[in-house]
Amino acid sequence: GEDVEQSLFLSVREGDSSVINCTYTDSSSTYLYWYKQEPGAGLQLLTYIFSNMDMKQDQRLTVLLNKKDKHLSLRIADTQTGDSAIYFCAESANQGGKLIFGQGTELSVKP
Amino acid sequence: DAGVTQSPTHLIKTRGQQVTLRCSPKSGHDTVSWYQQALGQGPQFIFQYYEEEERQRGNFPDRFSGHQFPNYSSELNVNALLLGDSALYLCASSTPGQGIAGELFFGEGSRLTVL
Repeated sequence: GEDVEQSLFLSVREGDSSVINCTYTDSSSTYLYWYKQEPGAGLQLLTYIFSNMDMKQDQRLTVLLNKKDKHLSLRIADTQTGDSAIYFCAESANQGGKLIFGQGTELSVKP
Repeated sequence: DAGVTQSPTHLIKTRGQQVTLRCSPKSGHDTVSWYQQALGQGPQFIFQYYEEEERQRGNFPDRFSGHQFPNYSSELNVNALLLGDSALYLCASSTPGQGIAGELFFGEGSRLTVL
């Protein structure tokens, strides 16, 4: 079946690195995404990775994919208070198709 | 360039009633997806519309139905409301083959409370 799991909370100090983890079960997942949701706002795509990649870096964001273990992580370098939000991992078997989301990780950044 | 707009932003209904939620996609987008996000949960896929037809559907009962109009806007209808239908309903638009891996652009959602 399709399932995506994340830890629920993460608290870090400003300036530290944050690592948010996600596991998924669907071996046909082709696209894996990280979305950010701030209070009262919709979801914003942060970054994505194709299943044939194992790492992607985009400014302060690094995505690591271990396809064998079906494990995805998002590292945010130099975390700022403005990064406080809920982060969702999502997977899709086809481009533009339905997304399966995790339950979200609430990141709290303390000054 | 307007993004995805949804209406209403908040509404309250009672059990058994019916509700219609509306979505206008981002300019240039022709595909609309609907998601239900219960409090403290991740969004769950309801269905996707393309060329005025339901192209894909998630695990939701027939009480949930939708429509897409020729201008690509969309409606989500929920009949015989249950308390468990209380959630944030998110609309997302996209265009196949464009953007980042068919990137979805989400609206801010319609918050439905069923009493």
